[in-house]
Amino acid sequence: AQSVAQPEDQVNVAEGNPLTVKCTYSVSGNPYLFWYVQYPNRGLQFLLKYITGDNLVKGSYGFEAEFNKSQTSFHLKKPSALVSDSALYFCAVRDRERGSYIPTFGRGTSLIVHP
Amino acid sequence: GAGVSQSPSNKVTEKGKDVELRCDPISGHTALYWYRQSLGQGLEFLIYFQGNSAPDKSGLPSDRFSAERTGGSVSTLTIQRTQQEDSAVYLCASSPTPSGGSGNTIYFGEGSWLTVV
Repeated sequence: AQSVAQPEDQVNVAEGNPLTVKCTYSVSGNPYLFWYVQYPNRGLQFLLKYITGDNLVKGSYGFEAEFNKSQTSFHLKKPSALVSDSALYFCAVRDRERGSYIPTFGRGTSLIVHP
Repeated sequence: GAGVSQSPSNKVTEKGKDVELRCDPISGHTALYWYRQSLGQGLEFLIYFQGNSAPDKSGLPSDRFSAERTGGSVSTLTIQRTQQEDSAVYLCASSPTPSGGSGNTIYFGEGSWLTVV
């Protein structure tokens, strides 16, 4: 079975400060990992994904995420937060060995960036 | 169109009525997904279509829920005899034909907001 956990329901950060949104996963094989962002009353937008190779993945809007196999984590990061980054963030995982094309999503983390 | 298109964007229905939600995937995408997003519950997988293969219906919560995909493109999610607990955002997503090592990114529509009163 595949699963993903986002341990924080909400993250608060001041504008200009670095931000981290945490994600841990569980798969029987090796993972594909994804981050999506959802702005109010909108659908989910793809930010970035890890397939293989370099553990540091860069994505849209200055976001990046680091794959850590030993800690089974894929935390989302940004060096300097913007108020416009305030949104709901979802981590997702798919087990590449199981041949399933259905990703499992976390419950989401609400990011609030204060001016 | 350029993205996944869903309709209606908002639907208010009375308990016990049937509703149909429509999804038009990105042109050329063979895989189509339905997810449900309830307040504070994250995304719940409902059903997955891939080409002409039999759909994966393992996420449908009850036999009141069904979905079809005509001609490998447009999909309709039907909820019969709606209940208040069906109130949620229903999200459709599509992706290109899955291939080994591609990661298979899925792209979401804006969702259909269903309220059952």
